[in-house]
Amino acid sequence: KAGVTQTPRYLIKTRGQQVTLSCSPISGHRSVSWYQQTPGQGLQFLFEYFSETQRNKGNFPGRFSGRQFSNSRSEMNVSTLELGDSALYLCASSKQETQYFGPGTRLLVL
Amino acid sequence: QKEVEQDPGPLSVPEGAIVSLNCTYSNSAFQYFMWYRQYSRKGPELLMYTYSSGNKEDGRFTAQVDKSSKYISLFIRDSQPSDSATYLCAMSRSGGSNYKLTFGKGTLLTVNP
Repeated sequence: KAGVTQTPRYLIKTRGQQVTLSCSPISGHRSVSWYQQTPGQGLQFLFEYFSETQRNKGNFPGRFSGRQFSNSRSEMNVSTLELGDSALYLCASSKQETQYFGPGTRLLVL
Repeated sequence: QKEVEQDPGPLSVPEGAIVSLNCTYSNSAFQYFMWYRQYSRKGPELLMYTYSSGNKEDGRFTAQVDKSSKYISLFIRDSQPSDSATYLCAMSRSGGSNYKLTFGKGTLLTVNP
């Protein structure tokens, strides 16, 4: 069974731009979660989608948003990028309580 | 106080050693406990998953959860150089919030040949 895939794998943006990241979950998984990983803060929960609805949300500003499509694929968007948004963005898919992570998208904001 | 505390290490051991990794937590609502392994430049890989208190063994890995002490552990027996990675503990509540994982900062482990 194919794992979680994320595109693109690497991105370089400048401050003020916006970015959209994509995640394809494991076949049959309907829950998709997003996390931000930085050296200082570690892994932090952004939000979780299930059947196209946001079910859980972390403590991030409204510049961070997401959505899920009917085929369970998900996108997250970050608007008005700041230098501090440089991070590894990880997507995880779940069928029950366990989450399986993709390889991540490494975003660098200059 | 952070919800989950994990000693960041780094931890360096010789090949064949027994490794003990630990996390403490403050939120008694946590019911699900996981250990992930993350190699450099990769996403976290699920190693062990435990519900509530008790022990779970999988090959060279043993996970322990002591909810009364709010303490979880991962033991690695006969450690190998391929075990060199960052180990992350994670936990979640039950019900609709069980998909929101709270992670420790991770412990960097190096196993020397």
